[in-house]
Amino acid sequence: GEDVEQSLFLSVREGDSSVINCTYTDSSSTYLYWYKQEPGAGLQLLTYIFSNMDMKQDQRLTVLLNKKDKHLSLRIADTQTGDSAIYFCAEREESGGYQKVTFGTGTKLQVIP
Amino acid sequence: EAQVTQNPRYLITVTGKKLTVTCSQNMNHEYMSWYRQDPGLGLRQIYYSMNVEVTDKGDVPEGYKVSRKEKRNFPLILESPSPNQTSLYFCAASKRGGSETQYFGPGTRLLVL
Repeated sequence: GEDVEQSLFLSVREGDSSVINCTYTDSSSTYLYWYKQEPGAGLQLLTYIFSNMDMKQDQRLTVLLNKKDKHLSLRIADTQTGDSAIYFCAEREESGGYQKVTFGTGTKLQVIP
Repeated sequence: EAQVTQNPRYLITVTGKKLTVTCSQNMNHEYMSWYRQDPGLGLRQIYYSMNVEVTDKGDVPEGYKVSRKEKRNFPLILESPSPNQTSLYFCAASKRGGSETQYFGPGTRLLVL
């Protein structure tokens, strides 16, 4: 599979913005996702962006996509303690009915009160 | 309510003792996958299925088997578990195409002694 890379850890103060970065390698990706995993739980979709978009905003979340550099970021405004979790980016490629989703290594976000 | 269920949620077993982890979805989705999650490695796909009786290997299929006899069920079989299969396992289901996200099960934590 293709490599999707993220930094492993990010620590921010409550109320600050968090920016989680991701680089991917497959230029044929159709959709890129951000998932959140809280302790002891499965993955929950936060947001997604189609590969022909540059930016998507959804309340406190802003996704930026730089397709030339294969770089995806998730910005969380006004970060709260409830945002503490592991965040995974994922890329999806499709070809002739075949569908594959590749996940990054995950970034653990710690929010300091 | 859209749901993916896995059983058991926790399992401790010994090397070589065959086990099955069940996965069931109530959304009539065609596409199902199994992932394992290990620290620092993110989620890696074990097997996936695009529909009934159609399965294929993911990135880390060695030591695992799957079957898809019905649309709703996608069991993961470890014929002869080994300690390196100690991990957190997630099943996921999604529709094919479009922006459809994968719905994840709650996870099965497996320890092989």
